[in-house]
Amino acid sequence: NAGVTQTPKFQVLKTGQSMTLQCAQDMNHEYMSWYRQDPGMGLRLIHYSVGAGITDQGEVPNGYNVSRSTTEDFPLRLLSAAPSQTSVYFCASTEQGPPYEQYFGPGTRLTVT
Amino acid sequence: AQSVTQLDSQVPVFEEAPVELRCNYSSSVSVYLFWYVQYPNQGLQLLLKYLSGSTLVESINGFEAEFNKSQTSFHLRKPSVHISDTAEYFCAALPAAGTYKYIFGTGTRLKVLA
Repeated sequence: NAGVTQTPKFQVLKTGQSMTLQCAQDMNHEYMSWYRQDPGMGLRLIHYSVGAGITDQGEVPNGYNVSRSTTEDFPLRLLSAAPSQTSVYFCASTEQGPPYEQYFGPGTRLTVT
Repeated sequence: AQSVTQLDSQVPVFEEAPVELRCNYSSSVSVYLFWYVQYPNQGLQLLLKYLSGSTLVESINGFEAEFNKSQTSFHLRKPSVHISDTAEYFCAALPAAGTYKYIFGTGTRLKVLA
């Protein structure tokens, strides 16, 4: 089991560029989430999905899009990058029901200049 | 709406001393409670959780947390810390029914000093 994988590990973008952060899990988990981590702010939920074809907004969704065409993959798209999107992004997956543990990927460190 | 508060952003402590990291939650519905640990340049991993039953839960590496419903707290404790416990610790809550939308606190950076 690879668990939750994220690519790339690091990325530098210029303002206005677009890109997709990839996330995949091989545990057949129904639930997947994207968070951003900023100093002093903990983890904030961007978008989440409760299954293939179903997504919903979290706390800070503006500027980001997601889709969930398969159980395994949950990509996060930045449509037009802004310096305020400089952050570390984590993807997580959870199986339905207890113990409700979230499994996190290693993160993507994004810098927008 | 639910919220999780970790009042201490940083906690320095000497090796072999006890430590307590505080977590309080606010919720109008029942919640499950979690502590996650993040070592430098890594993702988060589950340390321990409270779902139901005994209010005192323990991890395999000596941490424990007690669910206190009246004080809406879930403080994390360890009687004797090691250098290797240096990390950031996040408290999180999950509403017991519905959305799978976890709410995280802002984190506490534990630094163990030699």
